[in-house]
Amino acid sequence: QKEVEQNSGPLSVPEGAIASLNCTYSDRVSQSFFWYRQYSGKSPELIMSIYSNGDKEDGRFTAQLNKASQYVSLLIRDSQPSDSATYLCAAYFNDYKLSFGAGTTVTVRA
Amino acid sequence: ETGVTQSPTHLIKTRGQQVTLRCSSQSGHNTVSWYQQALGQGPQFIFQYYREEENGRGNFPPRFSGLQFPNYSSELNVNALELDDSALYLCASSADRDSPLHFGNGTRLTVT
Repeated sequence: QKEVEQNSGPLSVPEGAIASLNCTYSDRVSQSFFWYRQYSGKSPELIMSIYSNGDKEDGRFTAQLNKASQYVSLLIRDSQPSDSATYLCAAYFNDYKLSFGAGTTVTVRA
Repeated sequence: ETGVTQSPTHLIKTRGQQVTLRCSSQSGHNTVSWYQQALGQGPQFIFQYYREEENGRGNFPPRFSGLQFPNYSSELNVNALELDDSALYLCASSADRDSPLHFGNGTRLTVT
């Protein structure tokens, strides 16, 4: 079983809509979860960190964590064409290895 | 503060050759991790260095090796290059071993 799995893409949403991205992780103790955004040909950029169950909001982004269900999600509200990118979910499973999912590619249609 | 910088940006090598990629960590960060990202895939963990010692290693053969220096700069060395080594190599630094990673711009390696 892969350590971090993301819902298959690509995901296409109209401008102004909500993009919903999901991620599940394997049955191991993990305390730290992250969402990265990666534009084509560029390196990953940290957009959200979440450590506790519940929601965390930062501007148009909301991360949701449910440790009992081993599930973390990212909502992008009022999606803009500049949000078109690949979004990577990542989690620590020990004290040194940050594991990444394969990514979900989001396209926002103008 | 300065971010993570990597060099070179692009590199073309021939199968069987050796390559060294370089990374300068973000100021104050004592941990550096290296990742390989193939096209369409998520980054795959190669190894991490913490205070100049290898702190963990992913599923990569011994021909992938690294160093971290006292000024927290780092190198990734790959010997006997194979065609499948063609990828984006990412260096990332963090303030501690379980902190968020901050990535450099990457080195695009092409092996022909």
